[in-house]
Amino acid sequence: SQQGEEDPQALSIQEGENATMNCSYKTSINNLQWYRQNSGRGLVHLILIRSNEREKHSGRLRVTLDTSKKSSSLLITASRAADTASYFCATDAGLSGGYNKLIFGAGTRLAVHP
Amino acid sequence: NAGVTQTPKFQVLKTGQSMTLQCAQDMNHEYMSWYRQDPGMGLRLIHYSVGAGITDQGEVPNGYNVSRSTTEDFPLRLLSAAPSQTSVYFCASSYSRGAGELFFGEGSRLTVL
Repeated sequence: SQQGEEDPQALSIQEGENATMNCSYKTSINNLQWYRQNSGRGLVHLILIRSNEREKHSGRLRVTLDTSKKSSSLLITASRAADTASYFCATDAGLSGGYNKLIFGAGTRLAVHP
Repeated sequence: NAGVTQTPKFQVLKTGQSMTLQCAQDMNHEYMSWYRQDPGMGLRLIHYSVGAGITDQGEVPNGYNVSRSTTEDFPLRLLSAAPSQTSVYFCASSYSRGAGELFFGEGSRLTVL
């Protein structure tokens, strides 16, 4: 079963616009991560936010975390065509065998049109 | 640095055949894992390892075997391929047990006929 679920499943915007993706999860977490995947490639880590943090920035990325609502959002400001990719949230499924397993959602497909 | 290297990139198998997907990392990461990615399903954890000689099952382990004889390598074996195992497989590694950043390979696309 998936821990995180992204919304929307797909998003189409024009260059220069902001893109917002949301992630909801079911159980308490230690941290939440966002990854990006270009078509046909592996996933690349974007940002990690810990459960005691509410907001984090990295360049044009802004991530918020609301543990009371069990949700997170990823905002990409001033989108570029090169931002076209799928974006996944991932949450830790809890310590098992000495390892916090990451569980991924189904992702949001972002298309940024020139 | 090469990071995480997966081979082969593409493979076609017939039902019942066996094969091994290779994964190697050069970052001296203790933790390695295998995921499969299917349309609309996100990534699902198959097996993972917390160090050489130690492996454990993830969400969808059936039909797959792993071993970890060295820190660098974490091969995934399909024992008797089935069409349901048609997927894209990703190997990932991390330096932290605390659900830190995962470094992914480029994936191996497997088709089982």
